[in-house]
Amino acid sequence: AQKVTQAQTEISVVEKEDVTLDCVYETRDTTYYLFWYKQPPSGELVFLIRRNSFDEQNEISGRYSWNFQKSTSSFNFTITASQVVDSAVYFCALSSFNKFYFGSGTKLNVKP
Amino acid sequence: GAGVSQTPSNKVTEKGKYVELRCDPISGHTALYWYRQSLGQGPEFLIYFQGTGAADDSGLPNDRFFAVRPEGSVSTLKIQRTERGDSAVYLCASSREGLHTGELFFGEGSRLTVL
Repeated sequence: AQKVTQAQTEISVVEKEDVTLDCVYETRDTTYYLFWYKQPPSGELVFLIRRNSFDEQNEISGRYSWNFQKSTSSFNFTITASQVVDSAVYFCALSSFNKFYFGSGTKLNVKP
Repeated sequence: GAGVSQTPSNKVTEKGKYVELRCDPISGHTALYWYRQSLGQGPEFLIYFQGTGAADDSGLPNDRFFAVRPEGSVSTLKIQRTERGDSAVYLCASSREGLHTGELFFGEGSRLTVL
């Protein structure tokens, strides 16, 4: 069975703090993809990143970075120097065989 | 259009009524997905189309739910005899690559409220 767990329901930080959003997944498939999506208050989910199961290289994009560790089935997302505009719900997702499985999301509140 | 378009954005109906939700995907995207999102939850898979055919409808909760995509572009999600538990945001997404490797482009959703 496929499952994505985001244990942090809600996180509040003050602007400029670093914050890490946790994601743990379960799958028996050897080939799969992991994603992070952002859902701002407007409601539209926005794609942030995709990693395949064979590529464990960490990735950095501006203030965003992702740490993929197969050994612990985790795909964590770190925002450095958070900004108020980062406030949103963030979803981690796992895809396999044309289905995407989403976690329950982590609501991030960045206060000025 | 530039993005995935969903109509209506809001729909309020009474228990037992029939509703249709429409999704207009990004032009050229062969894969189309419907998801349902309840408050405080992540999107829950309903159905996936590859072209005109429903490649996977295993997420549809029961036979009151049905979706079509007759010409391989616009899709309609149909809900018969609506129940209060059907209240949720229904999200549509499309993908260029049509495989589970692809980035999904989401619409803003149709919020359904069943009274």
